[in-house]
Amino acid sequence: DVQLVESGGGLIQPGGSLRLSCAASGFTVSSNYMSWVRQSPGKGLEWVSLIYSGGTTYYADSVKGRFTISRDNSKNTLYLQMNSLRADDTAVYYCAAHYYTSGIYYNYFDYWGQGTPVTVSS
Amino acid sequence: EIVLTQSPATLSLSPGERATLSCRASQSVSTYLAWYQQKPGQAPRLLIYDASNRATGIPARFSGSGSGTDFTLTISSLEPEDFAVYYCQQRRDWPLTFGGGAKVEIK
Repeated sequence: DVQLVESGGGLIQPGGSLRLSCAASGFTVSSNYMSWVRQSPGKGLEWVSLIYSGGTTYYADSVKGRFTISRDNSKNTLYLQMNSLRADDTAVYYCAAHYYTSGIYYNYFDYWGQGTPVTVSS
Repeated sequence: EIVLTQSPATLSLSPGERATLSCRASQSVSTYLAWYQQKPGQAPRLLIYDASNRATGIPARFSGSGSGTDFTLTISSLEPEDFAVYYCQQRRDWPLTFGGGAKVEIK
């Protein structure tokens, strides 16, 4: 069974940094398309960042230059390094594996973790 | 960015009734649109991809239609477990965007 387990969230002051982790089991992170998606009461669901199996990355404009997505193949883990955090980054952060069927990956989100909450506040 | 507008915001129905949810895109997304279901305390679940294809394991009572800017998610006969919030999402252009959500509640 595919399982994604996020960790690393918490309370952080504005301007601070956090690194989120997403440990995967039941599939190989490096062979899949993976994303971070966040959800806050005020903004609903928001895609944050994506990494393709080949290593190409994409970011939402709201986090570009501040967040970095990466993976550790030996640990089968996805990461999101978040710097210069702001109050509007407050959300539950989910990692998600993209939908794959009939040999094609889609930029839709199939397997999700349980989410890790991030609160940016002084 | 492509803005997705969902309507109605809330739909009050009884089990066994038909639910019809709408998602309108600010510009054409072709058929590159998905629907998700989210229950309280849970992550979203992919229901429909590319407008009309059911994802793996999704019951046949869920169907999607549309292309261009107007899309519909239909639940043919509501089961008790279908009362939830539904989101649409497009993959036509960057950034990937979601609609604001539509709640199907028990009448």
